[in-house]
Amino acid sequence: DAKTTQPTSMDCAEGRAANLPCNHSTISGNEYVYWYRQIHSQGPQYIIHGLKNNETNEMASLIITEDRKSSTLILPHATLRDTAVYYCIVRTRIQGAQKLVFGQGTRLTINP
Amino acid sequence: GAVVSQHPSWVICKSGTSVKIECRSLDFQATTMFWYRQFPKQSLMLMATSNEGSKATYEQGVEKDKFLINHASLTLSTLTVTSAHPEDSSFYICSAPRTSGGTYNEQFFGPGTRLTVL
Repeated sequence: DAKTTQPTSMDCAEGRAANLPCNHSTISGNEYVYWYRQIHSQGPQYIIHGLKNNETNEMASLIITEDRKSSTLILPHATLRDTAVYYCIVRTRIQGAQKLVFGQGTRLTINP
Repeated sequence: GAVVSQHPSWVICKSGTSVKIECRSLDFQATTMFWYRQFPKQSLMLMATSNEGSKATYEQGVEKDKFLINHASLTLSTLTVTSAHPEDSSFYICSAPRTSGGTYNEQFFGPGTRLTVL
């Protein structure tokens, strides 16, 4: 699976949009971009995933560049409860190849 | 949404004892589950892949005789830390992918089990 690069930490003001970047320049054609987050002392939580089109759900939006070498997770109105470590992972969706390999992620702190 | 549970949520044990951690998929069947370990201020590290009805697959550097995995049913995988020592103290997390139509959807993670070995 392709490797990802994320900033170590970011800060964002409560109520503002939090934009978390991820570089995945070696992504291959059948690999999806997944985002998970981990709030302190909890298991990771799925946020969103996409292949090449932008995606939106009730939690966040995912913007993938046209060349698919990078993406941005957007939390439109960040709250204090969004403080967490956010992981960007790229992988295939082929059954039987289901491992998720976590990098260091981005520690996002939402400030009041 | 799909839920994965773990039991216990935390455990304290004496050095040399064995500890069993359960991982259950509550509303879907999982032929595969994954076990991760996480040390403070570090990322999750995949330990092994638990396969229902067959032997687990361990990642490089993980001792299979120390971390025994049993996946006896489609909804239950157990991780037993044998002869635990203080360096085994960690946060253990399981996950299960929900599959449909030949591809898999997102993975669901348990809440984690914090093991402290005295």
